[in-house]
Amino acid sequence: AQTVTQSQPEMSVQEAETVTLSCTYDTSESDYYLFWYKQPPSRQMILVIRQEAYKQQNATENRFSVNFQKAAKSFSLKISDSQLGDAAMYFCAHYGGATNKLIFGTGTLLAVQP
Amino acid sequence: GAVVSQHPSRVICKSGTSVKIECRSLDFQATTMFWYRQFPKQSLMLMATSNEGSKATYEQGVEKDKFLINHASLTLSTLTVTSAHPEDSSFYICSARGQGRWEQYFGPGTRLTVT
Repeated sequence: AQTVTQSQPEMSVQEAETVTLSCTYDTSESDYYLFWYKQPPSRQMILVIRQEAYKQQNATENRFSVNFQKAAKSFSLKISDSQLGDAAMYFCAHYGGATNKLIFGTGTLLAVQP
Repeated sequence: GAVVSQHPSRVICKSGTSVKIECRSLDFQATTMFWYRQFPKQSLMLMATSNEGSKATYEQGVEKDKFLINHASLTLSTLTVTSAHPEDSSFYICSARGQGRWEQYFGPGTRLTVT
């Protein structure tokens, strides 16, 4: 079975600083995707970034980047130049074609201090 | 980007009654829709997966007779909570995916309160 683990229930960062959110996963699939989703107080799920497992290059989206370590089954999210609007719950998720479903981690609540 | 709506956004019902939640894909055909449940400060738990025109596949532990899912068209799926009880109070989120696509698009969620 696929599992996703986020070991940091809460994190805090100063505005304009950089923060890294951790995620590890376990999977039996060879072809899969990994995602980071943001859930602000509105509760709307927003896709932040995705990584295809077959790609060695780490994905980046503006201030957001990942450190994908396939052998270690690690998938961390780095947020650079943190902004107040980045404050939210962040979920790491795994999707595999064989299971056809998203498995979410328990989430990390990020606070951004002005 | 693809848009998914949910209706209602909030609903309060009395214990023992049934309530229906709608999930619509507004600008694409959703061959697969997913229903999640989220308790306060917790993660999203998949309840069921539905493919258009087929019976839903429920996750282990989810009562299919209590949570009725219908995906009768390529743009609409409904979740009916039958004989609701206070423990069914939660935040319900749907997502939708198009044919041959991997990305799921999430609705804004429905907060259900059973009194």
